[in-house]
Amino acid sequence: DQQVKQNSPSLSVQEGRISILNCDYTNSMFDYFLWYKKYPAEGPTFLISISSIKDKNEDGRFTVFLNKSAKHLSLHIVPSQPGDSAVYFCAASPRGAGNNRKLIWGLGTSLAVNP
Amino acid sequence: NAGVTQTPKFRILKIGQSMTLQCTQDMNHNYMYWYRQDPGMGLKLIYYSVGAGITDKGEVPNGYNVSRSTTEDFPLRLELAAPSQTSVYFCASSYPQGEYNTFGSGTRLTVV
Repeated sequence: DQQVKQNSPSLSVQEGRISILNCDYTNSMFDYFLWYKKYPAEGPTFLISISSIKDKNEDGRFTVFLNKSAKHLSLHIVPSQPGDSAVYFCAASPRGAGNNRKLIWGLGTSLAVNP
Repeated sequence: NAGVTQTPKFRILKIGQSMTLQCTQDMNHNYMYWYRQDPGMGLKLIYYSVGAGITDKGEVPNGYNVSRSTTEDFPLRLELAAPSQTSVYFCASSYPQGEYNTFGSGTRLTVV
C-alpha cells in the first residue's frame, strides 16, 4: 500500500528543456512534502519542500507545485542540466508530526538529462 | 563539518551473524534516524531518536535495535542477520523543527 506514489520510474529530457517529475499521495493527513535528489553511492540530499498552506515554492531552477484537492505535487526543473541526472524522491510527512521525523517515501524517479 | 558519517560502507554478513552499523553526526542535531532502502524501493524508517536516551520504532523495526547514549552517535544493531536484511542503510539527522534530514552516504549490507 504505497501512500506516496511516483508512477514514472524514469524520465529522459534534453539539456535546457523542462523536467517535470510527478508525485501523488493518498493520505490526507500529509501536510508537508519534500523532494530529495540521490546520486549513486551517496545518501539523498534535500532539494526543496512545500507546506500544505502553500501551492508553490521556488528555489532557483527548482519549483514545486502542490494541488491538495488532487493530492498531487510536481517538481519542475528549468532549465535542466546534465548534472541534474539523478534519482528524485518525493517524501511526505503527516500532520502533527511537527517535523520530518516520520517521512513516507515514494519509490523514486530516475531522471536522465541528455546533453 | 563532516555532517553525518556512517561506517562501514560495505559489509557482507553470514546468516545468523550480528553487527553494528555506526552513525555519528557533528551538527548537534537532536533528531537521528535509520532508514533502509531495498532495490527499486523508497526508504523505510527503521528507528528514530529525538534525543539522547530516547528512541522509538519506525515502520520496519523488527530484527534491529538502537541506542542513543550521546547526541552525536546513533548505532544500529543487527542480531541474527537474515537475507531479508540485505539492503542499503542510511542514517540521517535533523533539528527538531528542521526543514529536512541530512543523510550519510550509506552502508551496503549483504547477508548470505
